[in-house]
Amino acid sequence: GENVEQHPSTLSVQEGDSAVIKCTYSDSASNYFPWYKQELGKRPQLIIDIRSNVGEKKDQRIAVTLNKTAKHFSLHITETQPEDSAVYFCAANSGGSNYKLTFGKGTLLTVNP
Amino acid sequence: NAGVTQTPKFQVLKTGQSMTLQCAQDMNHNSMYWYRQDPGMGLRLIYYSASEGTTDKGEVPNGYNVSRLNKREFSLRLESAAPSQTSVYFCASSEGRGAQETQYFGPGTRLLVL
Repeated sequence: GENVEQHPSTLSVQEGDSAVIKCTYSDSASNYFPWYKQELGKRPQLIIDIRSNVGEKKDQRIAVTLNKTAKHFSLHITETQPEDSAVYFCAANSGGSNYKLTFGKGTLLTVNP
Repeated sequence: NAGVTQTPKFQVLKTGQSMTLQCAQDMNHNSMYWYRQDPGMGLRLIYYSASEGTTDKGEVPNGYNVSRLNKREFSLRLESAAPSQTSVYFCASSEGRGAQETQYFGPGTRLLVL
């Protein structure tokens, strides 16, 4: 089955700096890669996703890049703000089953004012 | 429009007890999912229901059963709870029949098994 590795597990940045979180996946048939944000004590919420037919997607301060050859994708947050502090999860669908998402173990991002 | 709701919010069980976690969505979604979240482990899929009347195993199904009662409701049952099942349980739903869509999560149920 799909295996998703996520790095780093914790990331601390100063407000205004950029943050990058990286994920690798194992199933070459995976074609959908979402990112979820989970604030402390809250539910995960989708912030951005990318499909395998594009290499990059941007939404205001957030962008995701995908390298299918290397089987890795990354989340980029620019001009970080304290409210960006949360746990971020990457995920990939399992090519063999269109219903399963495999999540990475998460990155705790702390943005220091 | 409440989205995805879960009951109860918190539960303490003794080893060997049984309980059912309830989940309902009012978005007319076809697919529903149960995940467990443990520290440092991300979200792991327990069971999913692609559409009303169907259920399938996820990554960690042992010790659990599910019922897709109707299109709105998807319950998770622990027949004989074990301390290893201490976790936060999230239900989620998505509109279509596939994982390539936004999954909307419920608020979670915190379960402690003593």
